[in-house]
Amino acid sequence: DQQVKQNSPSLSVQEGRISILNCDYTNSMFDYFLWYKKYPAEGPTFLISISSIKDKNEDGRFTVFLNKSAKHLSLHIVPSQPGDSAVYFCAASAGSQAGTALIFGKGTTLSVSS
Amino acid sequence: DAGVTQSPTHLIKTRGQQVTLRCSPKSGHDTVSWYQQALGQGPQFIFQYYEEEERQRGNFPDRFSGHQFPNYSSELNVNALLLGDSALYLCASSPTENTEAFFGQGTRLTVV
Repeated sequence: DQQVKQNSPSLSVQEGRISILNCDYTNSMFDYFLWYKKYPAEGPTFLISISSIKDKNEDGRFTVFLNKSAKHLSLHIVPSQPGDSAVYFCAASAGSQAGTALIFGKGTTLSVSS
Repeated sequence: DAGVTQSPTHLIKTRGQQVTLRCSPKSGHDTVSWYQQALGQGPQFIFQYYEEEERQRGNFPDRFSGHQFPNYSSELNVNALLLGDSALYLCASSPTENTEAFFGQGTRLTVV
């Protein structure tokens, strides 16, 4: 039973436009959410996180939105750049303190064309 | 500042053999977690070590075991390898105060 779902395996966007990556979760105990980016032959790189006490967190071109009632979060990248082409993983945990395991979705492959 | 380093980067083993993977955490991090990423899947939590003890474990059989040393580095051991153990094994470290994990580049294990 997948607790974190990324239902779109892939997304293609033109350079300069907005990329929106979606993630749904089923476990009500999750209260901390993270996005990671992964290039081939590299480990995942932390992008941005959000606590359940917030509904939005912004860092430069990256913004994460959290809708707790819908158990849904999204990552917005504006403007998209070719270097953003990678696999994006949504992850969730029951707590932000160390000692809590991260539960990952299957990932969405983003392709940004110039 | 070196990030999380893992060794080896690639490994080929025969079914039934045993394997040991190694991980050095990012400087200042005392918590090490291991994840298995099968092809087309997201990373799946194996276990986490803190203060040289296993603190939390995912849904993996006892063939998967680990160790953390006083310098916070860690090993992942897998016994009686199965073809299905072929995957990318990721080590992640985090500081005591939060769960933002920093990942190494991974070890690609192929079981033949």
